[in-house]
Amino acid sequence: DGGITQSPKYLFRKEGQNVTLSCEQNLNHDAMYWYRQDPGQGLRLIYYSQIVNDFQKGDIAEGYSVSREKKESFPLTVTSAQKNPTAFYLCASSVGGGALDTQYFGPGTRLTVL
Amino acid sequence: LAKTTQPISMDSYEGQEVNITCSHNNIATNDYITWYQQFPSQGPRFIIQGYKTKVTNEVASLFIPADRKSSTLSLPRVSLSDTAVYYCLVVIMDSNYQLIWGAGTKLIIKP
Repeated sequence: DGGITQSPKYLFRKEGQNVTLSCEQNLNHDAMYWYRQDPGQGLRLIYYSQIVNDFQKGDIAEGYSVSREKKESFPLTVTSAQKNPTAFYLCASSVGGGALDTQYFGPGTRLTVL
Repeated sequence: LAKTTQPISMDSYEGQEVNITCSHNNIATNDYITWYQQFPSQGPRFIIQGYKTKVTNEVASLFIPADRKSSTLSLPRVSLSDTAVYYCLVVIMDSNYQLIWGAGTKLIIKP
């Protein structure tokens, strides 16, 4: 089955710890994205990557970091500098990085920082 | 800067047609309108995308009037499984990359 996988589904961390969220896709898509979703709100873009070894900041990149060493993988690290990290994190991919390209989303990771 | 506004929630009944309207007053000439559907604890799923007039696919229609200050997602003959949150977003075509997501409309379908 082709698709996007995110792991784990639920993640708990203590305040002050860095945590890395996994995102893998086997759709052969060039572009990948990370979003954050808070209750009752739309999605906000954290980072995106249109090609391997390149990525750009989105609207709320502060306190987050990413890497894109492989086409299939786009891990997101939530650092201790992120002031309010508890949220639902969504990874997506698209064929290309065009604004009109349909994005395909993973099932999400719910991060809770205690 | 474009911003989308949509109703927080709506109710309807099985078999009815549901219309969800989104306002986007500051949309630019080249911007597109896109709608996604999201079920609880899942990622959003693309429904439909359009620029003007009317677009139809196998699951929905999108109506965009000439002034493009609003758009309407139409779901024909809804079923209980259409209960979800529906997001309207503006695709900004003049920047490197920007999607302006609305806060979403929670649609509840009753039997």
